[in-house]
Amino acid sequence: SSELTQDPAVSVALGQTVRITCQGDSLRSYYATWYQQKPGQAPVLVIYGKNNRPSGIPDRFSGSSSGNTASLTITGAQAEDEADYYCNSRDSSGNHLEVFGGGTKLTVL
Amino acid sequence: QITLKESGPTLVKPTQTLTLTCTFSGFSLSTSGVGVGWIRQPPGKALEWLALIYWDDDKRYSPSLKSRLTITKDTSKNQVVLTMTNMDPVDTATYYCAHRLRYYDSSGATRYYFDYWGQGTLVTVSS
Repeated sequence: SSELTQDPAVSVALGQTVRITCQGDSLRSYYATWYQQKPGQAPVLVIYGKNNRPSGIPDRFSGSSSGNTASLTITGAQAEDEADYYCNSRDSSGNHLEVFGGGTKLTVL
Repeated sequence: QITLKESGPTLVKPTQTLTLTCTFSGFSLSTSGVGVGWIRQPPGKALEWLALIYWDDDKRYSPSLKSRLTITKDTSKNQVVLTMTNMDPVDTATYYCAHRLRYYDSSGATRYYFDYWGQGTLVTVSS
């Protein structure tokens, strides 16, 4: 089982705002990193750190964190945002190990 | 431009040892703050972190697979090799390697993330 918990599926109407969450004890100490994965493709980094977007990632993607919960928010979701989203962080062991969440499938209606 | 590519067998038999090679360009694994990780994804399932190796040869392994994994680097060849022993059908997955980069947050704390990923290679375990 994953130490990071994500809702399996979330849907959003085109153009609306959606929040995808990730819960875990380690998130009290470490930021979550967020990846987008479309079918048959490798994951793509969308958010890292407190709220940093790599070059080429639209500014409708943003990250935030509170307590043991990290969130990825898409403001004005587009059809091309339909994908699986995974959070990733250090685990809670203190041994600098990594863990991924179970993923959230985002459907844009 | 950073690129990574995984290579290795597409089919292995149960109990065999899997050897995967990640060949990369655009960075050096001798540069401070750089690492390479392996992550796998069974068909239709979530990503699972496997192992990491850093520029200083620090190595980290998934606790659940630690006894079966070995990660090494060949800096001169720009390659990272992952071996997994005693393969089982449940190990059938797409295996990815990814570039890991260090940065410092606003408080000065050291952080890392995977920024570039290879295309992945599907490994099937079957007799």
